[in-house]
Amino acid sequence: RKEVEQDPGPFNVPEGATVAFNCTYSNSASQSFFWYRQDCRKEPKLLMSVYSSGNEDGRFTAQLNRASQYISLLIRDSKLSDSATYLCVVKVLRGGSQGNLIFGKGTKLSVKP
Amino acid sequence: GAGVSQSPRYKVAKRGQDVALRCDPISGHVSLFWYQQALGQGPEFLTYFQNEAQLDKSGLPSDRFFAERPEGSVSTLKIQRTQQEDSAVYLCASSLGPQGGGNTIYFGEGSWLTVV
Repeated sequence: RKEVEQDPGPFNVPEGATVAFNCTYSNSASQSFFWYRQDCRKEPKLLMSVYSSGNEDGRFTAQLNRASQYISLLIRDSKLSDSATYLCVVKVLRGGSQGNLIFGKGTKLSVKP
Repeated sequence: GAGVSQSPRYKVAKRGQDVALRCDPISGHVSLFWYQQALGQGPEFLTYFQNEAQLDKSGLPSDRFFAERPEGSVSTLKIQRTQQEDSAVYLCASSLGPQGGGNTIYFGEGSWLTVV
């Protein structure tokens, strides 16, 4: 079983739609959580960190449920420019040393006019 | 620019050939990571350096993979006797502080390796 699991999609939505992505992680020692965005043939870029209390950045809302080991990302009023792959990422401390980022496979979003 | 720089951007290697991929992290960044991203997959961790020390190489898939960062800045990932399954994008990333802290990790655009 992968440490971070996501629905690969693709999610095809019209402009203005609200779309939600979900992610589950298996390691209860995961300490930090993120959503990254990756455009086609580009590097991943941090979209937002995810906090236990939930957090919002403009049209984007992230939620974390530690008990269920579940992370979500909600995009409201989607734009054509939101089309990308969204990667769910957790940081796990290993062996008492530094934490490494563990990525899901990503969920592909395509926003259509 | 001031971002993470990788070279070559694209490399086609014949099976059995050795390749070397270079990463220039952001100046002053202590932490440096290598990731491997196969088509349709998320990035998979390969190895981590804190300055010149390779603190974690648990993700290197075989002893054909070797990474170094001798002076704590530029890093090289070397793959010996390349195989077709090595075809992937190799992403380098850096962050300001030691990993375990909350610093943002910045990725380079990657080196696209195709083994034929």
